[in-house]
Amino acid sequence: QSALTQPASVSGSPGQSIAISCIGTSSDIGAYDYVSWYQQRPHKAPKLMIYDVNSRPSGVSNRFSGSKSGNTASLTISGLQADDEADYYCTSYTSSSTYVFGTGTKVTVL
Amino acid sequence: QVQLQESGPGLVKPSGTLSLTCAVSGASIINDRWWGTWVRQPPGKGLEWIGEIHHSGVTNYNPSLKSRVTISVDNSNNQFSLSLTSVTAADTAVYFCASTSTPYCPSTTWGQGALVTVYS
Repeated sequence: QSALTQPASVSGSPGQSIAISCIGTSSDIGAYDYVSWYQQRPHKAPKLMIYDVNSRPSGVSNRFSGSKSGNTASLTISGLQADDEADYYCTSYTSSSTYVFGTGTKVTVL
Repeated sequence: QVQLQESGPGLVKPSGTLSLTCAVSGASIINDRWWGTWVRQPPGKGLEWIGEIHHSGVTNYNPSLKSRVTISVDNSNNQFSLSLTSVTAADTAVYFCASTSTPYCPSTTWGQGALVTVYS
């Protein structure tokens, strides 16, 4: 299985909104509404931010939202804050009953 | 709350076997919705899903690693383990264990990670 495709980097100014895309195939993102997003700060374990395409775990800010169209999922961060600077990874359930991660996106707050 | 802790050797010789254990505290893994997962991250690179196990012993593996990976569960000690055979330098990574009780969400709670270096 090939990794889902994400942009290497996305940047924005404080207060702006940014979107991170995650491109898969009809065997993963396109087949199921089981896309999750993780935030990872340097030398830390990932943290779940979104699951089931657009559901937020308890405690995650509503500035984070997810969506999906066809084989592409997206994570939007609104009201960008300095604390949002981190790496972000998408993941999807696949038709082989496995999971595949995205290539990762570094978010920089200008 | 649920906590996970990886343990095992930090150094493994090439062609040897990498073995790690993940101890789960704060909740019983004997839960029909519980799955334990292993994920790795080579230095400076992205995350790679290795595989998962249910307390019943059902497993799913990454096809690219399937021939070398075994994940097992020890319900009596509330823990699960990873074994990766025939390791090379490419297997050097931080290995995370994680767990979930959310269907089709691979990991909701994570361990801190354990660096395993394959050295010659």
